[in-house]
Amino acid sequence: SSELTQDPAVSVALGQTVKITCQGDTLRNYHGNWYQQKPGQAPVLVIYGENNRPSGIPDRFSASRSGTTSSLTITGAQAEDEADYHCNSRDKSGFWVFGGGTKLTVL
Amino acid sequence: QLQLQESGPRLVKPSETLSLTCSVSGGSISSNSYFWGWLRQPPGKGLEWIGSVYYNGSPYYNPSLKSRVTMSVDVSKNQFSLRLDSVTAADSALYYCARDHKTAVTTAGLGVAWLDAWGPGALVTVSS
Repeated sequence: SSELTQDPAVSVALGQTVKITCQGDTLRNYHGNWYQQKPGQAPVLVIYGENNRPSGIPDRFSASRSGTTSSLTITGAQAEDEADYHCNSRDKSGFWVFGGGTKLTVL
Repeated sequence: QLQLQESGPRLVKPSETLSLTCSVSGGSISSNSYFWGWLRQPPGKGLEWIGSVYYNGSPYYNPSLKSRVTMSVDVSKNQFSLRLDSVTAADSALYYCARDHKTAVTTAGLGVAWLDAWGPGALVTVSS
């Protein structure tokens, strides 16, 4: 079982805002990261640290943190945002842990 | 731009050893800012971290796989490698290599680290 918990599936209407959450005790001490994975492709980092976007990631992606929950927000979801989203962080031993992933459907 | 690429046999027999190599281009593996990691994803399932290795060969492994995993680095070839012993069908998965950023600490006292530059993945099947 995953040490980080994510909802298995979330949907959003085209152009609307969606929040995907990730909960776990490791997030008390580490910022969560978010990865986008489209079918047949490797994961791509979309948010790291407090709320940082790698070069090339649209600014409609943002993140926030509260207690043991990290949240990824997509403001104005586009059709190309339909994908699986994975959160992760290190645990207290420094090992990597992942959530089970959230399948985002853009309607 | 940093690029990683997995290579190695895609079919491994049960009880044998899975061996993969990750070739790094566009940057040096000999950086003191990063580890170099291996992860896997069974078809239709989530991601699992296998372990990471520093350029000097120092590894750290997922405790659930530690007894079967060996990672190494070849600085001269800018490559790092994974060996997974005594494989079973449960080890069939897409295997990814990625850059593993060392942990920094924010002013608020929170750790920050991430995985990026993922390779495209290598689908390895364990079957006789």
